[in-house]
Amino acid sequence: AQSVSQHNHHVILSEAASLELGCNYSYGGTVNLFWYVQYPGQHLQLLLKYFSGDPLVKGIKGFEAEFIKSKFSFNLRKPSVQWSDTAEYFCAVIMLTGTASKLTFGTGTRLQVTL
Amino acid sequence: KAGVTQTPRYLIKTRGQQVTLSCSPISGHRSVSWYQQTPGQGLQFLFEYFSETQRNKGNFPGRFSGRQFSNSRSEMNVSTLELGDSALYLCASSSGLAGGAPDTQYFGPGTRLTVL
Repeated sequence: AQSVSQHNHHVILSEAASLELGCNYSYGGTVNLFWYVQYPGQHLQLLLKYFSGDPLVKGIKGFEAEFIKSKFSFNLRKPSVQWSDTAEYFCAVIMLTGTASKLTFGTGTRLQVTL
Repeated sequence: KAGVTQTPRYLIKTRGQQVTLSCSPISGHRSVSWYQQTPGQGLQFLFEYFSETQRNKGNFPGRFSGRQFSNSRSEMNVSTLELGDSALYLCASSSGLAGGAPDTQYFGPGTRLTVL
């Protein structure tokens, strides 16, 4: 079955540390890729997306992600995290089929940034 | 532009009852999708509506249904509620491209449903 995996369930970092959250999907066809963030008490917000073109995409708040097609991965990175980045991060994929509007989400990674 | 709005924000129901949740998409958006978020199952796709027609459906029982109105507002209904239906129900809107082409979805704050 088509699926999205986020292997890190809970990550704890100190402020200024670098961040990389993994995301892998299982689908051999064309995909569109997203990272969403859910801050405590807030709704899901789009961080960045990849549809086509340059596989390195930049999003809001200094986040970036790289699509590596051969590895079926779309990892999220940030060179220096801040306390305000504490949130849950979701990778989501649209696997292009006849019904392309369905987003399949990973289980999420809870990031805790300590001062 | 105003974002996606959902009402009510919180609901408490008892087993066997039914519930209707409402979603107003971003102005100009024609596609509305619904998701269920639970600690155990994460975010799961329920269904998508575009131009008053269900365009896509997830793997949920028939107790879960929805509809979309001509102004793109959508409602989701759950009949014969079960304890396991307790969840955060999220609505997302997108502009809705021809042929179901992928588009960015923007999420509302959700309706938290508790079934006792």
